[in-house]
Amino acid sequence: GAGVSQSPRYKVAKRGQDVALRCDPISGHVSLFWYQQALGQGPEFLTYFQNEAQLDKSGLPSDRFFAERPEGSVSTLKIQRTQQEDSAVYLCASSLLGTGIGSNQPQHFGDGTRLSIL
Amino acid sequence: QKEVEQNSGPLSVPEGAIASLNCTYSDRVSQSFFWYRQYSGKSPELIMSIYSNGDKEDGRFTAQLNKASQYVSLLIRDSQPSDSATYLCAPRDGGATNKLIFGTGTLLAVQP
Repeated sequence: GAGVSQSPRYKVAKRGQDVALRCDPISGHVSLFWYQQALGQGPEFLTYFQNEAQLDKSGLPSDRFFAERPEGSVSTLKIQRTQQEDSAVYLCASSLLGTGIGSNQPQHFGDGTRLSIL
Repeated sequence: QKEVEQNSGPLSVPEGAIASLNCTYSDRVSQSFFWYRQYSGKSPELIMSIYSNGDKEDGRFTAQLNKASQYVSLLIRDSQPSDSATYLCAPRDGGATNKLIFGTGTLLAVQP
């Protein structure tokens, strides 16, 4: 597709349930980022993939958060045993190149998944 | 903790005026800077990038960067009601990955 695609757009889950959020980046983009955006705040970095390698997961808030990109294209962010504080918009972004040479490449964002934990 | 500071606003300007959005950042190693526009309920949309000190113009938008002062700004000329949105300043982290460090954003309201 032409842009970054995320699904589902909206997800409601009960506290304690596991959820999986999907990101389909722009075709051919090497870099893939996940961000979390709480209401009224700017996006906060969660994790970064260069192709299939997860090079930075320093922003994942707890070990309940797990991300993968097994074939270097589609990525899934999984949250286990969800808590109310996990309610936020989860944004995926991709950029054409990797680290270093890709430093000036803009990141293109998907529409996000709005996660609500009841 | 690397920080990006923006005035949360709302910044209210009349239609046709110049809107000036400001941002300071703490990471001295940052080399690339991006401005994103975010409409309510929508995803961030890239509108400007700047890498060198000075001004960069693109249509009605001008980005200004001063690395010594750790300051970046965005000017919007001839503001339109459709420019009403939250503007996010995002320096690229100076570390090993290209992650962006976002401010909380400035809400701009252009009054018709």
